Amino acid sequence: GAVVSQHPSWVICKSGTSVKIECRSLDFQATTMFWYRQFPKQSLMLMATSNEGSKATYEQGVEKDKFLINHASLTLSTLTVTSAHPEDSSFYICSARVWGGGNQPQHFGDGTRLSIL
Amino acid sequence: SQELEQSPQSLIVQEGKNLTINCTSSKTLYGLYWYKQKYGEGLIFLMMLQKGGEEKSHEKITAKLDEKKQQSSLHITASQPSHAGIYLCGAHNFRGGADGLTFGKGTHLIIQP
Repeated sequence: GAVVSQHPSWVICKSGTSVKIECRSLDFQATTMFWYRQFPKQSLMLMATSNEGSKATYEQGVEKDKFLINHASLTLSTLTVTSAHPEDSSFYICSARVWGGGNQPQHFGDGTRLSIL
Repeated sequence: SQELEQSPQSLIVQEGKNLTINCTSSKTLYGLYWYKQKYGEGLIFLMMLQKGGEEKSHEKITAKLDEKKQQSSLHITASQPSHAGIYLCGAHNFRGGADGLTFGKGTHLIIQP
């Protein structure tokens, strides 16, 4: 149980393109999902908290107009990297907590590797 | 915000040997999580520790939480090639566990046959 699916797993696109990444909880509902970014050989850094039915909460230094988050249902959050540039190339990974599950761990997707040419 | 320091940064261990990875927090720990990651892949949940003195085991992996010292340790007994990977500790910044996690920089574990 508690499977999180992330799609696509790998994206290569030209500079200036917008890229959408999906994060789905397959067998549970999640009112809150989290988006992290990981640069090569570094740890995960929390970018934003995605809240179902309300605005996302962004960490300091993360541009909300650059990284658009939509959490339209209890099982889906999307991250759109708008007008992506080479410096946005990174490994993006989402996580979700089981709704109403009390003290539950975050379950992570397999990540999306984004390469901007 | 909280900072988690992991040690060692990397570890090469001969197959069959035991090893320990440590995670020290700069602030009060509100839950401590251990995950395993293969480079460029998702995180596999290993264990969650919430109370001081708590100890959990899964197969050959044991994790402990020392709340007073704001530390956790992960111990692997009789290591196997399947244990190779990057081990990450993560913790919440706030009580309640509803916020995102702060992670350590990870410990890269290599198992030599």
